[in-house]
Amino acid sequence: GNSVTQMEGPVTLSEEAFLTINCTYTATGYPSLFWYVQYPGEGLQLLLKATKADDKGSNKGFEATYRKETTSFHLEKGSVQVSDSAVYFCALGDDKIIFGKGTRLHILP
Amino acid sequence: KAGVTQTPRYLIKTRGQQVTLSCSPISGHRSVSWYQQTPGQGLQFLFEYFSETQRNKGNFPGRFSGRQFSNSRSEMNVSTLELGDSALYLCASSLRSAGDSETQYFGPGTRLLVL
Repeated sequence: GNSVTQMEGPVTLSEEAFLTINCTYTATGYPSLFWYVQYPGEGLQLLLKATKADDKGSNKGFEATYRKETTSFHLEKGSVQVSDSAVYFCALGDDKIIFGKGTRLHILP
Repeated sequence: KAGVTQTPRYLIKTRGQQVTLSCSPISGHRSVSWYQQTPGQGLQFLFEYFSETQRNKGNFPGRFSGRQFSNSRSEMNVSTLELGDSALYLCASSLRSAGDSETQYFGPGTRLLVL
């Protein structure tokens, strides 16, 4: 069946560092891919999405490219801020959304 | 446009009791999905309702059930609560075209503690 694997956290970085959170997927067909973010005490918010191979999703300085050849959808940001501290979930969707286990990100000032 | 709302936000119950959680989707959204979030298991899909019909179901026991009303509001019920049911229960709504995976919009969740 379909599944999502993302790097385990926590990930701790200093402010202005470069961020990569790895995400790979297993799927039949060509599902949409998502990154969601969960801030403390809140529900999940959509960060970005891509619906087909080679699509790049971007939002708030975050980017991820749908790579069919490597079945990956890694999240990147060039310069993180303390306010980016949250849990990030990679997800894929065809008939339903399947989430990875989440990666907790801590940004130190 | 108002977001997804969930009530109550916090709940404390004892083993053996039952609980009903409520979710009001974004206006115009006909699909409501429910998830259980725990530190150990992460986000697990419970079920999805679309136009008052259960469309998808996850791997949870029959103690977990849900329904959707004609105004798209949804409730989920857990009977005979167990300690392991302590979790954050998240509801998400979407426009949900048939056979398509739409963006889901999440509510803030209901945190259930079973003692």
